[in-house]
Amino acid sequence: ELKVEQNPLFLSMQEGKNYTIYCNYSTTSDRLYWYRQDPGKSLESLFVLLSNGAVKQEGRLMASLDTKARLSTLHITAAVHDLSATYFCAVGGSGGGADGLTFGKGTHLIIQP
Amino acid sequence: GAVVSQHPSRVICKSGTSVKIECRSLDFQATTMFWYRQFPKQSLMLMATSNEGSKATYEQGVEKDKFLINHASLTLSTLTVTSAHPEDSSFYICSARRLRVGTEAFFGQGTRLTVV
Repeated sequence: ELKVEQNPLFLSMQEGKNYTIYCNYSTTSDRLYWYRQDPGKSLESLFVLLSNGAVKQEGRLMASLDTKARLSTLHITAAVHDLSATYFCAVGGSGGGADGLTFGKGTHLIIQP
Repeated sequence: GAVVSQHPSRVICKSGTSVKIECRSLDFQATTMFWYRQFPKQSLMLMATSNEGSKATYEQGVEKDKFLINHASLTLSTLTVTSAHPEDSSFYICSARRLRVGTEAFFGQGTRLTVV
């Protein structure tokens, strides 16, 4: 059974600071995703990581994947209030997209001015 | 592109009634659609996987007779919550995967179901 552990689950930080969210998963996977969710809304896709060593960046967010360690990180640089949201990592199995995703519990991020 | 539309976005129903939620891929054909449930302040849990023209595959613990899934075409899947009870109140989200293209699945906007 695929398990996905995310930490921290709650993070309060000040604007301008850097921080990292970690996502560990238990079995081999061929893809890892990061999503953002605002209150009452659905998911917004941030990154799709498909290979070992993959690194993607968009604005103040950067995601990386180490498939050997079964670890992905989402790094926030110089946080701004607009990044306040809940962030989920999700992992697919080895079905090449034919299987659903297993989500971490989410990291509730609050960025204070 | 890659838009997935869910309808309705919110629904309130009485206990014992049934509710149908639609998930449409607007600009692509979806071989596979997934249904997730999210309780307040919790993560998303996969309920079932549906492939066009075949029976849905349900995750362990999900009652297939209660959550009826139909995937009649490459652009439409429906989830019917039968004999709804207050404990079925949740946020239901579908996602759709493109036919033969990539591994990403695109999410609908979700349906907030409240059973009173």
